[in-house]
Amino acid sequence: KAGVTQTPRYLIKTRGQQVTLSCSPISGHRSVSWYQQTPGQGLQFLFEYFSETQRNKGNFPGRFSGRQFSNSRSEMNVSTLELGDSALYLCASSPGTGVTGELFFGEGSRLTVL
Amino acid sequence: GESVGLHLPTLSVQEGDNSIINCAYSNSASDYFIWYKQESGKGPQFIIDIRSNMDKRQGQRVTVLLNKTVKHLSLQIAATQPGDSAVYFCAENIGRYSTLTFGKGTMLLVSP
Repeated sequence: KAGVTQTPRYLIKTRGQQVTLSCSPISGHRSVSWYQQTPGQGLQFLFEYFSETQRNKGNFPGRFSGRQFSNSRSEMNVSTLELGDSALYLCASSPGTGVTGELFFGEGSRLTVL
Repeated sequence: GESVGLHLPTLSVQEGDNSIINCAYSNSASDYFIWYKQESGKGPQFIIDIRSNMDKRQGQRVTVLLNKTVKHLSLQIAATQPGDSAVYFCAENIGRYSTLTFGKGTMLLVSP
């Protein structure tokens, strides 16, 4: 079974630009979560989608948004990029039913903002 | 919001030793406590979890202990191997589907 796939793996943007990251979950998983990982703040929850609906949201500004498609694939978008948005963005999938601690993470998209 | 924290940022052990990684949490409402391992260049990988109504759970070479009285979680790795070298994160789920709150991480370095 293929794992969680994130694209692109690496990207460089400049301040003020926007970026879209993509995530393909494990087949059959209906929940997709996004996390931001930085050396200073560690892993921070951005949002979770289940069956095309945002089920939970972390404490990030409105510049961070996401969506999920009917095939469970998800995208996240960051608009008006700031230097502090440089981070590894991780996507994780799970079956989505009930409370769970077991998430399956992709290898991440590393965003550098110049 | 409340978050999970760690006592030790780096732990160095010799191959074959037992390793213990500790974590303090602050949210008494957490349902699940989980340990993840992250190797360089990879995403976190689930190791083991424990529900709040348990105090010990064992896996293959790993044991997680939960002390709710002092809000402490630990991961014990038996016979540590060089392949165990990674950053280890504790995390908690307060019952909100798949939403996890992660600690800052502990780097485990295993010398041959």
